[in-house]
Amino acid sequence: GNSVTQMEGPVTLSEEAFLTINCTYTATGYPSLFWYVQYPGEGLQLLLKATKADDKGSNKGFEATYRKETTSFHLEKGSVQVSDSAVYFCALSERGGGNKLTFGTGTQLKVEL
Amino acid sequence: GAGVSQSPRYKVAKRGQDVALRCDPISGHVSLFWYQQALGQGPEFLTYFQNEAQLDKSGLPSDRFFAERPEGSVSTLKIQRTQQEDSAVYLCASSLDAGNIQYFGAGTRLSVL
Repeated sequence: GNSVTQMEGPVTLSEEAFLTINCTYTATGYPSLFWYVQYPGEGLQLLLKATKADDKGSNKGFEATYRKETTSFHLEKGSVQVSDSAVYFCALSERGGGNKLTFGTGTQLKVEL
Repeated sequence: GAGVSQSPRYKVAKRGQDVALRCDPISGHVSLFWYQQALGQGPEFLTYFQNEAQLDKSGLPSDRFFAERPEGSVSTLKIQRTQQEDSAVYLCASSLDAGNIQYFGAGTRLSVL
């Protein structure tokens, strides 16, 4: 079956530090890959996505590249802000079955001044 | 409304009670998903509707869980004879059609005492 593994948190960084949150996946076919973010008290929001190998998703300064050879989709940001503090979820979906999402366990990011 | 709406936001139930959780998807969205998110975990797929048809219910944990979407819009997730292990946040998501981006509601936090 499909699965997503992401690094455990919490990750604590100082403002303007570089961020990497690792994500690897197992899938039977060729999935689409996503990063969702959950701010305190809010619902999950799509941050970025990539639908095929070597695609790079980007949004709000965050980037992730679909690496088929390493089955990875690591999230990066060059300079984090306090407002980026949230829980980040890596997820995948495969064609068929409505494209239901399989999520990782989430990584909490705390950014301090 | 502009987004996916779920009600109630919080529900406390005594063990053995039946509960009903409501989801109002984004208007015009054909696909609707329910996920269960245990504390500290990522969301896990429960069931999927395409219009009023329930096409996948493989994630429902037991026959105490039942979902419906009779008119292809609002959906209700019902849990009969609640148990403590049912305590979780129940998330609803909708998408324009299968394969499109899923938009999530804020969730219903169910606590079974």
